[in-house]
Amino acid sequence: EVQLVESGGGLVQPGGSLRLSCSASGFTFSSYAMHWVRQAPGKGLEYVSAISSNGGSTYYADSVKGRFTISRDNSKNTLYLQMSSLRAEDTAVYYCQTRIAAHIDYWGQGTLVTVSS
Amino acid sequence: QSALTQPASVSGSPGQSITISCTGTSSDVGSYNLVSWYQQHPGKAPKLMIYEGSKRPSGVSNRFSGSKSGNTASLTISGLQAEDEADYYCCSYAGSSTPVVFGGGTKLTVL
Repeated sequence: EVQLVESGGGLVQPGGSLRLSCSASGFTFSSYAMHWVRQAPGKGLEYVSAISSNGGSTYYADSVKGRFTISRDNSKNTLYLQMSSLRAEDTAVYYCQTRIAAHIDYWGQGTLVTVSS
Repeated sequence: QSALTQPASVSGSPGQSITISCTGTSSDVGSYNLVSWYQQHPGKAPKLMIYEGSKRPSGVSNRFSGSKSGNTASLTISGLQAEDEADYYCCSYAGSSTPVVFGGGTKLTVL
């Protein structure tokens, strides 16, 4: 059974940092691109960042470029999102997601990040 | 990286059909047959309902169908049921520099 389990969310002050993790199991993690998608409270989905299967290629939305860093450790089947210079508008549930085929799509349960003083 | 445009809300009675539109541009929806639709119930992760514009993953009811015309994709739900009440999001591939763009979401209310 495929599982994506996010962790690392919590309350952080504006300007602070946080690292999210996504532990993957049930599929060959090293073969697939991974993605972070976030959802602010009561708002829609926002595509945040992506990383290729070997980590050699990354993408960032303009809203997080220069502040967030996506990475992965294929030996640990884990995806990361290092977030710095956090702002109130970064408050959201952060989901990790992968698509292992056009019709097969997996999401984690999400982890809540709250940026507030 | 502009979001795709969806109506904020739609509603229908049980048994009726509804259609949710998703308007993009010639750089995303219009250029690729790679529109997906997601269903999200409160407090849950999104669930893939339609991929590649009109295809249904295994296990998704055939009451859900997708189509595209020009820069606008559409999701139609026929024979509305109470459990269809949820938020629906479209998303599209938009090229290598912007892999994914989401719509703003549509809240479906089953009256």
